[in-house]
Amino acid sequence: EPEVTQTPSHQVTQMGQEVILRCVPISNHLYFYWYRQILGQKVEFLVSFYNNEISEKSEIFDDQFSVERPDGSNFTLKIRSTKLEDSAMYFCASSDQAGGPVTQYFGPGTRLLVL
Amino acid sequence: AQSVTQLGSHVSVSEGALVLLRCNYSSSVPPYLFWYVQYPNQGLQLLLKYTSAATLVKGINGFEAEFKKSETSFHLTKPSAHMSDAAEYFCAVRDQYGNKLVFGAGTILRVKS
Repeated sequence: EPEVTQTPSHQVTQMGQEVILRCVPISNHLYFYWYRQILGQKVEFLVSFYNNEISEKSEIFDDQFSVERPDGSNFTLKIRSTKLEDSAMYFCASSDQAGGPVTQYFGPGTRLLVL
Repeated sequence: AQSVTQLGSHVSVSEGALVLLRCNYSSSVPPYLFWYVQYPNQGLQLLLKYTSAATLVKGINGFEAEFKKSETSFHLTKPSAHMSDAAEYFCAVRDQYGNKLVFGAGTILRVKS
């Protein structure tokens, strides 16, 4: 069964450093998402991406964040200058359609620790 | 804005007992509701979803949920718990203005032998 994959599974970085989290969505999917879960808190939406554009973003997704689909298979989340509060589990998701009861398929997550 | 509330951050049941995980939603329009499960060190896996086709929804691994508009609830049940059901369960609602999912806080299910 096709699945969303994410790399790395864990990343430790120093505050102020740039990190890139990578995702390979399901191959025929067109809609891509990033969510994060700070330890002990809810899973929260960051951004959605379609047709090489951000279609929706949350208040969390400020100028230090960016997303890109650099080729036909990868979808990345870049954090330019990490802060301690960016420590979280980051989930990538994808779907073949948008809206309604369409299922978003999630990857296993990247656990980011900012020191 | 739409939201979901999961009552009980931790639920403990004995193996073979009924599992009941509660989810209440807040929405001014008919919602699209989802239950996801997260096993240790894995991603979020869809258990089932409400699409308005039927109020009783059957999902994977013997789970089902009933949409009750009068109670604004979408509780998850399983008649007989198995040790392998131990995981964290998330209720989510699709935002009416876009594609994002809004998640509840999650309920950790523990199954005792």
